[in-house]
Amino acid sequence: ETGVTQSPTHLIKTRGQQVTLRCSSQSGHNTVSWYQQALGQGPQFIFQYYREEENGRGNFPPRFSGLQFPNYSSELNVNALELDDSALYLCASSLGGSRTGVNEQFFGPGTRLTVL
Amino acid sequence: QQQVKQSPQSLIVQKGGISIINCAYENTAFDYFPWYQQFPGKGPALLIAIRPDVSEKKEGRFTISFNKSAKQFSLHIMDSQPGDSATYFCAASNSGTYKYIFGTGTRLKVLA
Repeated sequence: ETGVTQSPTHLIKTRGQQVTLRCSSQSGHNTVSWYQQALGQGPQFIFQYYREEENGRGNFPPRFSGLQFPNYSSELNVNALELDDSALYLCASSLGGSRTGVNEQFFGPGTRLTVL
Repeated sequence: QQQVKQSPQSLIVQKGGISIINCAYENTAFDYFPWYQQFPGKGPALLIAIRPDVSEKKEGRFTISFNKSAKQFSLHIMDSQPGDSATYFCAASNSGTYKYIFGTGTRLKVLA
């Protein structure tokens, strides 16, 4: 069984650019959630995908968007980067959707994004 | 109502001592309360979790105590070790959303 992996590990972008972050879910998991963790803070929920459809969204603007693919890997896209977007971006995979009552989420190591 | 309040912000404990971290929530719809451990540069790792139908859950040196009426839960680390030095996050969610609400974290340092 493989764990959650994310790429790249680190990324440096300039304000206004666009970025794509990638996540491979743990084997057998069909749900992925993305979180933003600013330095010294707890992770903040961005959105969740279940079987390729968005299953909930946190208080993030539309320039944060995502995709989930048939193999349950996922992408987080951020357009028009702002300085405040600098953070650790975490994805977490889990089994099931909102109907199954299974809650355990397993996190990847994260992608450290720096916006200059 | 979506917040999870965590305290203390930082904690220093002697080796062999008990580390206690507390969390409080408002939303009574929450029905799953995990604790995560995070080392610098790493993603959070699930330590232990509890549901509101039990008041305590123990796994090795880690125990969650849950007080449903007070809407509070806490993590106890018995026989704390220097390797336990990390940041600990409590979280809460409900089965309907799968959205985790995290606390602000507690930086634990265990002195050798």
